Amino acid sequence: DAGVTQSPTHLIKTRGQHVTLRCSPISGHKSVSWYQQVLGQGPQFIFQYYEKEERVRGNFPDRFSARQFPNYSSELNVNALLLGDSALYLCASSWLGQGRDAGYTFGSGTRLTVV
Amino acid sequence: GQQLNQSPQSMFIQEGEDVSMNCTSSSIFNTWLWYKQDPGEGPVLLIALYKAGELTSNGRLTAQFGITRKDSFLNISASIPSDVGIYFCAGPTGANSKLTFGKGITLSVRP
Repeated sequence: DAGVTQSPTHLIKTRGQHVTLRCSPISGHKSVSWYQQVLGQGPQFIFQYYEKEERVRGNFPDRFSARQFPNYSSELNVNALLLGDSALYLCASSWLGQGRDAGYTFGSGTRLTVV
Repeated sequence: GQQLNQSPQSMFIQEGEDVSMNCTSSSIFNTWLWYKQDPGEGPVLLIALYKAGELTSNGRLTAQFGITRKDSFLNISASIPSDVGIYFCAGPTGANSKLTFGKGITLSVRP
């Protein structure tokens, strides 16, 4: 079975541009969460989608948005890119998205560089 | 918000040695998770702990859930070169919908 797949693996954008990152969860998983990992830090929670709706949002500006499609795949969109948005963006999928046995599985991430 | 503290930032050990790392919080966590991240990859779950005082092993790895529920420990025995990586502790918050991570400890193993 395929794990969590993310695309693209690497991306370079210019300040002020917009970017879309994609994630396909493990088959059968209904929840997708997005995390931002800046170099030297642990992943920071951005938001979680479950059954195509945003369930929880972290402390990120409105420039960050996402959506989840009927097949449970997800897109993360970031507008008006800043240099500080340069990071590894991780997608995590789970069946329920909550509960202590949520069993989050992470993808390999998309490395975004803003210049 | 809840924070998880890991220190030191880096650890250097000799192959074959044991290593212990801990994670502390000012808040109570009901679940403790330990992840390992290799370069260019996402975090991979090593051990999950669900009960205060619980001691769980996964091969050469052993982790414990502190009885105060504010700390956890991970031990790696007889280290090997492939143990190199970044080790994160994490805990679910917000109705267990999101994970809070520590800053991680980078482990280097000298052959």
